[in-house]
Amino acid sequence: AQSVSQHNHHVILSEAASLELGCNYSYGGTVNLFWYVQYPGQHLQLLLKYFSGDPLVKGIKGFEAEFIKSKFSFNLRKPSVQWSDTAEYFCAVNALGNAGNMLTFGGGTRLMVKP
Amino acid sequence: DAGVIQSPRHEVTEMGQEVTLRCKPISGHNSLFWYRQTMMRGLELLIYFNNNVPIDDSGMPEDRFSAKMPNASFSTLKIQPSEPRDSAVYFCASSPGRSSYNEQFFGPGTRLTVL
Repeated sequence: AQSVSQHNHHVILSEAASLELGCNYSYGGTVNLFWYVQYPGQHLQLLLKYFSGDPLVKGIKGFEAEFIKSKFSFNLRKPSVQWSDTAEYFCAVNALGNAGNMLTFGGGTRLMVKP
Repeated sequence: DAGVIQSPRHEVTEMGQEVTLRCKPISGHNSLFWYRQTMMRGLELLIYFNNNVPIDDSGMPEDRFSAKMPNASFSTLKIQPSEPRDSAVYFCASSPGRSSYNEQFFGPGTRLTVL
């Protein structure tokens, strides 16, 4: 079965700092990859997704992620964070060949941006 | 579109009581997922329906938990009897279909507290 690791559990940054959140998965086959964000007290929302093609994916609110197949990674980046980016970020993987579109989520990374 | 609707938003009950959580997926979506989120275990998939049929319930913790989807527009997650360790936020998500290219849309969640 696939698993997803987010090694940074908590990240604290100042506004305008650059962000990179790590995500690694374990599955040898083809995968679809997602990043979701959960703002305080709210539900999960999709930030971006990768299915195929250009491994650099651009999402909403200035976020991007790069799929590096050889490293089994899908790290999330943003050049300059804002206070409003304070949230919890979840990486998720769908291993093609599983029963439909089940997702396996990482443990999440809590980001706090200091104003 | 109203999005995924969950009720109640908050539930406080005493140990041993029956708890029923409700979910209305987005109209036209064929897949429905129940998740549980806790600080200790993160986001866990409990059960997954497609076209009202349970596809994978391997995440259901024990016999005290049961889920039904009597029609395409309604699902319930029942805990009987409830225990304090069931305290968590329970999310329902829906998806347009079984294709792995489909993202999941999450509801606002039900925060359950079992005293």
